[in-house]
Amino acid sequence: DAGVTQSPTHLIKTRGQQVTLRCSPKSGHDTVSWYQQALGQGPQFIFQYYEEEERQRGNFPDRFSGHQFPNYSSELNVNALLLGDSALYLCASSLGTGDLVTFGSGTRLTVV
Amino acid sequence: GDSVTQMEGPVTLSEEAFLTINCTYTATGYPSLFWYVQYPGEGLQLLLKATKADDKGSNKGFEATYRKETTSFHLEKGSVQVSDSAVYFCALGDNAGNMLTFGGGTRLMVKP
Repeated sequence: DAGVTQSPTHLIKTRGQQVTLRCSPKSGHDTVSWYQQALGQGPQFIFQYYEEEERQRGNFPDRFSGHQFPNYSSELNVNALLLGDSALYLCASSLGTGDLVTFGSGTRLTVV
Repeated sequence: GDSVTQMEGPVTLSEEAFLTINCTYTATGYPSLFWYVQYPGEGLQLLLKATKADDKGSNKGFEATYRKETTSFHLEKGSVQVSDSAVYFCALGDNAGNMLTFGGGTRLMVKP
């Protein structure tokens, strides 16, 4: 049974560019959350999607946006990249608002 | 808002030593509390959880007790192994089950 799958695993972008990260939730899960983990820090909540709607959002600017598709997969988009956006982006899935959350291995984004 | 504070690392121990990693939290209501572990190059794995005051979570020899009076959830293990070397994150979940708030992480290094 596949867990949470994220792609790509690594990528390098230039300041000002836009990036799209992808996530497939664990089979049977319908809720997807995204977290940003800067080097040496704990993950920070970006937003959560359920039934293709953004249900809750953390303290991140509008440059960060997302989408959830009918098959529950999700995308995270970041516009106008800054050097400070360099981080590990983690996707997590769960069933509804249950607290058994499964994390993916993340996408390492480097902005140069 | 909600916050989690955990002891800074790295914590370096010899194999079979006793481990304590301190974690305190600030939250409204009655959050669930979690310990996650992150091995190099991987995402987060749930280690244990507790959902109400005085609950004790345990897994793989690790345990933590939800102490409402001291707002703490300290992680303990009686005898660590080299394979326990990783970064440990304390986290709390909001009552709606929408987001996790993480501490900054504590790196544990166990030497043979």
